[in-house]
Amino acid sequence: GAVVSQHPSWVICKSGTSVKIECRSLDFQATTMFWYRQFPKQSLMLMATSNEGSKATYEQGVEKDKFLINHASLTLSTLTVTSAHPEDSSFYICSASIGGMGGQPQHFGDGTRLSIL
Amino acid sequence: AQSVTQLGSHVSVSEGALVLLRCNYSSSVPPYLFWYVQYPNQGLQLLLKYTTGATLVKGINGFEAEFKKSETSFHLTKPSAHMSDAAEYFCAVAGWKGAQKLVFGQGTRLTINP
Repeated sequence: GAVVSQHPSWVICKSGTSVKIECRSLDFQATTMFWYRQFPKQSLMLMATSNEGSKATYEQGVEKDKFLINHASLTLSTLTVTSAHPEDSSFYICSASIGGMGGQPQHFGDGTRLSIL
Repeated sequence: AQSVTQLGSHVSVSEGALVLLRCNYSSSVPPYLFWYVQYPNQGLQLLLKYTTGATLVKGINGFEAEFKKSETSFHLTKPSAHMSDAAEYFCAVAGWKGAQKLVFGQGTRLTINP
């Protein structure tokens, strides 16, 4: 149980294009979803927290106009990297939680490796 | 504010030997503690978690961790390492009362020598 599917797993695109990454909870309803960025050999950096039906909360230093997050349903959140540039190349990981009481673990997708040429 | 420190960015053990990955946390509220494992080019998989109750927590793949409040520690152990345990391990802390945001440690890369 608690499976999170992230798509695509790898994307290569030209500078200036926009890229959409999907995160789906397959067998549970995710009240809250999280988006992380991970640089090589480093820990995860939280970018934003999204709750179904409301605007995402971005961490300090994360450009909300660059990284658009939509959490349209209890099973789907999307991250759109707008006008992507080489410095946006990274490994992006989503996670989902059923929310409610504290202590509920986050369940992670397999990540999306984004390469901007 | 909460923080996590994982002592040792890289740990190397022989196959069959004890695995010990250290994690110390700082939290102003009773913490929820987690260990996750990450294999190359994959997301994170939950190994185990501590919320309340028994301080010795057993997880998947033979791992366990003990919450020691007096030492603010949550070290991860496995009695006998297997080659398939080679991966990156992350300790994380979440706050109490519904706060779900995780604060991760910097990770420990575990290498298993044959």
